[in-house]
Amino acid sequence: QMHLQESGPGLVEPSETLSLTCVVSGGSISSTFYFGGWIRQPPGKGLEWIGSFYYWGDSYYNPSLSSRVTIAVDTSKNEFSLRLRSVTAADTAVYYCARRGFDYDAFDIWGQGTTVTVPS
Amino acid sequence: QSALTQPRSVSGSPGQSVTISCTGTSGDIGAYNSVSWHQQFPGTAPKLLISDVDKRPSGVPHRFSGSKSGNTASLTISGLQAEDEAVYYCCSSADNYTLVFGGGTKVTVL
Repeated sequence: QMHLQESGPGLVEPSETLSLTCVVSGGSISSTFYFGGWIRQPPGKGLEWIGSFYYWGDSYYNPSLSSRVTIAVDTSKNEFSLRLRSVTAADTAVYYCARRGFDYDAFDIWGQGTTVTVPS
Repeated sequence: QSALTQPRSVSGSPGQSVTISCTGTSGDIGAYNSVSWHQQFPGTAPKLLISDVDKRPSGVPHRFSGSKSGNTASLTISGLQAEDEAVYYCCSSADNYTLVFGGGTKVTVL
């Protein structure tokens, strides 16, 4: 059974770069991902899509974050990453990675999420 | 890119049916049959309930169903149960390979 696990620092200083990794186990990104994505949830608020990478190599981002975001994939390590530059307190959130496979046109497998705090 | 519009809360008694609406635009819900619904309990990750507007993944109870008309999608819970008390999010594909979520709807079982 496929499992996604986010990892990275829980505290990032303002103006620094937030870096997270999503390690995939129980299956290969190369053969089971139509796309992978990052989604975040500020405290007490709803879900916000950050961006996704597609199996053919392209990445697409939320226009509101695109100037600060990079998503990359390393198929040799079976993991993908998120970099968010110039963070502020507004970037404090639980960050989830998730998979869109080939069976369902939706994120069908989610990581458990990791909390990132940017102090004000 | 604006969030899809969902009611903040809906409620119902056990056994009743409740419907959650999710309103978008001609650039997201209206343009793509790529609406999904996710259920989230406090402190846990979202879980896929409905994909492709009305497709129910294996293991999801039959009381959950989805539909779409124009720029609005809906999730119906038929025969509400206490364990259905959670927050529900819609999600849609949008132009330029982007995605957009709704603000979430809290379902309360009275």
